[in-house]
Amino acid sequence: QVQLVESGGGVVQPGRSLRLSCAASGFTFSSYVMHWVRQAPGKGLEWVALISYDGSNKYYADSVKGRFTISRDSSKNTLYLQMNSLRPEDTAVYYCAQGGGNAESDAFNIWGQGTMVTVSS
Amino acid sequence: QPALTQPASVSGSPGQSITISCSGTSNDIGGYNYVSWYQQRPDKAPKLMIYDVTRRPSGVSIRFSASKSGNTASLTISALQAEDEADYYCSSYTSSTTWVFGGGTKLTVL
Repeated sequence: QVQLVESGGGVVQPGRSLRLSCAASGFTFSSYVMHWVRQAPGKGLEWVALISYDGSNKYYADSVKGRFTISRDSSKNTLYLQMNSLRPEDTAVYYCAQGGGNAESDAFNIWGQGTMVTVSS
Repeated sequence: QPALTQPASVSGSPGQSITISCSGTSNDIGGYNYVSWYQQRPDKAPKLMIYDVTRRPSGVSIRFSASKSGNTASLTISALQAEDEADYYCSSYTSSTTWVFGGGTKLTVL
């Protein structure tokens, strides 16, 4: 079945780095736009970044631009989020999500279960 | 500050209908037919309920419908059931090739 499984979350000090992974299965990973979406504790959803189906285009929310990098490895069916210069306000559950197709405008069709990132000293 | 504006909460009794509004701008909701709605139950991942303003994914109840007028989108849930109690989020594609969400609406079934 179609599945997304995130990993790599944890507790990290401000200013440090962390890399999240999202393992995809049950669909042709290389054909879909992929996203990262986060949710701070008790708060709403915030879109973080997207990467085109072939990895050629990447877009970011202003809140993470210049600090986070989205990437994908289609040989491993895996999506990544490299997070640098982490801040306490980056504390959230991070979800990966599959876009419904190969267009950046396709809605978030499938979601992973999320991985928690806590930025604290 | 979320980019899209939703009411913080709505409520209704079983069997009734409720509508959740989602207000944006001409750079998002008003400029594209790429509005989607998500249901999130406590401690669960969001679930896609509506995409491309009005379309329902396979498996989503026909009790869920949606529309858009100008810069405002709306989600209507008819014949409310206890299982509909959840948080609902709207989202829109934007002119910057990014996505924005609303702040979320907590639906209480009385």
